[in-house]
Amino acid sequence: AQSVTQLGSHVSVSEGALVLLRCNYSSSVPPYLFWYVQYPNQGLQLLLKYTTGATLVKGINGFEAEFKKSETSFHLTKPSAHMSDAAEYFCAPYGNNRLAFGKGNQVVVIP
Amino acid sequence: GAGVSQSPSNKVTEKGKDVELRCDPISGHTALYWYRQSLGQGLEFLIYFQGNSAPDKSGLPSDRFSAERTGGSVSTLTIQRTQQEDSAVYLCASTSTGYSNQPQHFGDGTRLSIL
Repeated sequence: AQSVTQLGSHVSVSEGALVLLRCNYSSSVPPYLFWYVQYPNQGLQLLLKYTTGATLVKGINGFEAEFKKSETSFHLTKPSAHMSDAAEYFCAPYGNNRLAFGKGNQVVVIP
Repeated sequence: GAGVSQSPSNKVTEKGKDVELRCDPISGHTALYWYRQSLGQGLEFLIYFQGNSAPDKSGLPSDRFSAERTGGSVSTLTIQRTQQEDSAVYLCASTSTGYSNQPQHFGDGTRLSIL
């Protein structure tokens, strides 16, 4: 079964600083990979996805992620954090009829 | 509506009661998923429907949980004889097809509290 590791349940970042959220997946077969964001009391919203093709993927709100097969990673970045980026972020591969979510990163943006 | 709709948004019930949670997927979406989000377990898959195929029920935690999807559209998740550990947010998602590269569109969830 697919699984992912997201380190650091809580991540604090200063406004304007780089946001880096790490995601490593377990499978030797590159899966389809997704990053979702969840704002308080809301469902999950797609940030970006990797399926095939270009390994650098751009998403909404200035986020991007790079798929690195050799490192089995799909880290999420944003060059400059904004207060509105405060939310919980989930990395998830798709396989076996489901998304297999990581434990998530709660991002706090410090003014 | 344009998005996935779930009702009720909040449900409080007593231990031992049955509950029904409803999901209206995006119109025309053939695939529908249920997930559960709890503090202890994170986001867990429950069940997957695709068209007229038999559902994948492999994520249902016990036989107290069941789900159906009528007419290929609306889905109902039923929990019988609720227990306190069933307290969680239940999320529904749909995709336009059953292909794995399609992003899932999520509703805002039903927050279930078992007293």
